[in-house]
Amino acid sequence: GAVVSQHPSWVICKSGTSVKIECRSLDFQATTMFWYRQFPKQSLMLMATSNEGSKATYEQGVEKDKFLINHASLTLSTLTVTSAHPEDSSFYICSASSSGHSTDTQYFGPGTRLTVL
Amino acid sequence: EDKVVQSPLSLVVHEGDTVTLNCSYEVTNFRSLLWYKQEKKAPTFLFMLTSSGIEKKSGRLSSILDKKELSSILNITATQTGDSAIYLCAVGHISIQGAQKLVFGQGTRLTINP
Repeated sequence: GAVVSQHPSWVICKSGTSVKIECRSLDFQATTMFWYRQFPKQSLMLMATSNEGSKATYEQGVEKDKFLINHASLTLSTLTVTSAHPEDSSFYICSASSSGHSTDTQYFGPGTRLTVL
Repeated sequence: EDKVVQSPLSLVVHEGDTVTLNCSYEVTNFRSLLWYKQEKKAPTFLFMLTSSGIEKKSGRLSSILDKKELSSILNITATQTGDSAIYLCAVGHISIQGAQKLVFGQGTRLTINP
């Protein structure tokens, strides 16, 4: 149980294009989904918290107009990197929690490696 | 500022050895401490600890939380090459803004040599 999928697993794009990453909870309803970014040899940094049916809450320093998050259903959240630039190249990981509390276990997707040329 | 610090950052041992990984934290409104194992992709859940002094065990892995010392340890006995990974410690807390989130440590890279 508690499987989270992400699509695509990797993407290479040109600078200036937009990229959409999907995060799905496959066998449970995710009240809250979290989006993280991980640069090489660094830990996971929380970008935003996404609750179904409401606007995402972004961490300090994360541009909400650049990283658009939509949590349209209890099993799907999407992250769109708009006008991507090389410095946005990173490993993007989502996690899902069934109750919305960070004290509950967060189950992670397999991640999406984004490379912007 | 909320922070989670892990040590050591890197550890290389031989198969069969026992290792202890450390995690200390300073966060507002602590709720839980979680351990994850990260191999090539995203982290996989190992343990969640909320109470001091109660050891959680799964096979050769065990972990315990000390809320007085604001720390936790993860023990792995009789290590195997498949234990090679980055071990992440994360603390769940309520931020000053009232949001519920995890703060991750920088991870311990464990390498088990045959």
